[in-house]
Amino acid sequence: QKEVEQNSGPLSVPEGAIASLNCTYSDRGSQSFFWYRQYSGKSPELIMSIYSNGDKEDGRFTAQLNKASQYVSLLIRDSQPSDSATYLCAVDAGGTSYGKLTFGQGTILTVHP
Amino acid sequence: TAGITQAPTSQILAAGRSMTLRCTQDMRHNAMYWYRQDLGLGLRLIHYSNTAGTTGKGEVPDGYSVSRANTDDFPLTLASAVPSQTSVYFCAGNREFQETQYFGPGTRLLVL
Repeated sequence: QKEVEQNSGPLSVPEGAIASLNCTYSDRGSQSFFWYRQYSGKSPELIMSIYSNGDKEDGRFTAQLNKASQYVSLLIRDSQPSDSATYLCAVDAGGTSYGKLTFGQGTILTVHP
Repeated sequence: TAGITQAPTSQILAAGRSMTLRCTQDMRHNAMYWYRQDLGLGLRLIHYSNTAGTTGKGEVPDGYSVSRANTDDFPLTLASAVPSQTSVYFCAGNREFQETQYFGPGTRLLVL
């Protein structure tokens, strides 16, 4: 059973703070990692993808991957109320599961003014 | 470009009835996917298709069937609906495996 676990939340941060979202995965052979944002009643949209160890930055978002620890995180700097959403971690385990994503249960983030 | 469209937007269905959820794309995605999303469980893969003419089972395929007669359409059929199939259903697609998956707007299904 391939599992993806996210910090349970909900997470509440003040506007301007750094929001930290965490995700662990069980399959050590996992190849690709994604963070999706989902607003209430809407479909998921990709905000970050990461494939190799280290940090990847895109604007206010930074994804961090540590394959040895089987851990991927998303940092949101200067959080805004518009960042309030559910954040979904998704993992492509590769191998026979190549191309098929396993999602975590999601973390609800609220950024309060 | 419409992207990925799904129909209907929402539906109430009596248990035991059959229903087909439609998914159409104009993004030339080779691979397409059906997920269900339930509170606290995240998104779970039901069925997928690598390319037209082929389909495969995901994590929760029981009670569902799919077909992929052409590149653009990927319908999901519930042959005899049960209340546990109450969920939000998302269709998604990407050009090739490992590429970003793009999601349709979803179908909310209530089975009574």
